Amino acid sequence: EIVLTQSPDTLSLSPGERAILSCRTSQSVWRRYLAWYQQKPGQAPRLLIYGSSNRPTGIPDRFSGSVSGTEFTLTISNLEPEDFAVYFCHFYGTSRTFGQGTKVDVK
Amino acid sequence: EVQLLESGGDLVQPGGSLRLSCAAFEFMFSDYAMTWVRQAPGKGLEWVSTIAAIGTFYADSVKGRFSISRDNSRNTVYLQMNSLRAEDTALYYCVKGLHYLDYWGQGTLVTVSS
Repeated sequence: EIVLTQSPDTLSLSPGERAILSCRTSQSVWRRYLAWYQQKPGQAPRLLIYGSSNRPTGIPDRFSGSVSGTEFTLTISNLEPEDFAVYFCHFYGTSRTFGQGTKVDVK
Repeated sequence: EVQLLESGGDLVQPGGSLRLSCAAFEFMFSDYAMTWVRQAPGKGLEWVSTIAAIGTFYADSVKGRFSISRDNSRNTVYLQMNSLRAEDTALYYCVKGLHYLDYWGQGTLVTVSS
C-alpha cells in the first residue's frame, strides 16, 4: 500500500505570501493519480488539483501542482484570506490513500 | 449544480448496523462511480468504498462488514454497515468519482458507542 506523508504539518504564513506544501509517496507512483483537496472548518473537502497538475473549472490559477520523483507539491502563489485551511493529498491508483493533511494558518 | 445529500447517520451500539443513503442531483448519476469517504472527529480522510461499472471496492478496514450499492432509478447510493465498531465513528461523505473526487456531500455523522 502506498503511504502519503505530507509536510509540514502546519504552515504559518501571511496573506500575499507563497505556500509550498509537500506530499511524498512511499514508492514511485504514476503522476496521473495524485490529487489535492482543500478543507475549511465545518465544510466538506473541495477538489483543487487532479492528475498532479490539473485544475478543475473554477479553481483559481494561484493554485498549482507539480511533481519531482516521489515528491508532489501544491503551491499557492499568493495567499488570499480564504486560502487558510487544511490541505490533503490523495493517491487514487492501485490503492486509495490520503495524506494526513497540512494546515495553513495565519502567521 | 451537482448536489449530494447524505442521510442515515445515527448513534448505534457496537456490533450494530446502519444504512447510509446519498441522493444525487444535477448530473447523469448512472454514468458515474460513487465513493464513500469518512473522517473521524478531528482526523484526516479515509477512503471507505467505491462502486463503479467495473465493480465494488472496499478499504481493508471495512471489507466483509460494509456493502456499497446503488439504485440508478432513484439516483441514490447506499452504504450498508454491519458489525460496527467504535473506530467506525466518523463523518461519512458521499462523493462523486472513481479516481479523483470532484463533488462532495456535506456528510452524515455515525457514532458507535454504548
